[in-house]
Amino acid sequence: AQTVTQSQPEMSVQEAETVTLSCTYDTSESDYYLFWYKQPPSRQMILVIRQEAYKQQNATENRFSVNFQKAAKSFSLKISDSQLGDAAMYFCAYTDSNYQLIWGAGTKLIIKP
Amino acid sequence: NAGVMQNPRHLVRRRGQEARLRCSPMKGHSHVYWYRQLPEEGLKFMVYLQKENIIDESGMPKERFSAEFPKEGPSILRIQQVVRGDSAAYFCASSPVMVVGNQPQHFGDGTRLSIL
Repeated sequence: AQTVTQSQPEMSVQEAETVTLSCTYDTSESDYYLFWYKQPPSRQMILVIRQEAYKQQNATENRFSVNFQKAAKSFSLKISDSQLGDAAMYFCAYTDSNYQLIWGAGTKLIIKP
Repeated sequence: NAGVMQNPRHLVRRRGQEARLRCSPMKGHSHVYWYRQLPEEGLKFMVYLQKENIIDESGMPKERFSAEFPKEGPSILRIQQVVRGDSAAYFCASSPVMVVGNQPQHFGDGTRLSIL
C-alpha cells in the first residue's frame, strides 16, 4: 500500500529566510502525482504546488519549489523568502491513477519575525 | 465563482445523536470526496461519490456512517449514534472529473465535529 511520510512534525524559520520541508513516499507505481497542501489556522486546505511523476523538471510556483527525486521517492518543498503568512500546517499528498489522495501527517511551519 | 461550501463550520453533538454534514461542490463539479482529519494527523479518505452514485466507500466505517450525493442538493455525510471518537474535522472536496492528478481536488473549509 502507498504511504506518505513527513518526518518533521514542526519546523521554524526566520522571516525572509529559506526553509525546506521533507516528504518521502512509498509506491510501486511509476505514474503518479504529488502535492503539497497548506492548511492555515483557518483550516482551509490550499493547494500549494503539484508534481507529475513523469516530469523530470521540478515544479515551481513563485516562492515555492519542489525537489522531486523519483528514485529516492522524495518530494521536498522549499519556501524561499519566508513570510509571516506562510505559517501553517503543510501536508504532502500522493495519488496514482486511483483518485484517493494519501496524506502525510503534516509539518507545522512557524515563521519567526 | 463560489468554491466548495461546507456547513456547518462547527457542529456539536452529544453521544448517541446524529450528525449531518453538508457539502456543495464547486459549480460544474460532479465528483465529491469526503475526508476525515483526526487531531495531529493528515486527512484520511472516506468516500467518493458522483451524482446519485457511491463509487468508493472503502474508507468509511462499516457502521453508523453513510453518504449520499442526490441529483439535486448537496452531498450529505451522515453519522448516526455519534461517539467521542467521531470528533474530527471532516473535509469535502470536489473535482470536475475523476482523475485527480490533472484536476486537483478543491477543498471546502471543513466541518469540525465535536462530541460531548
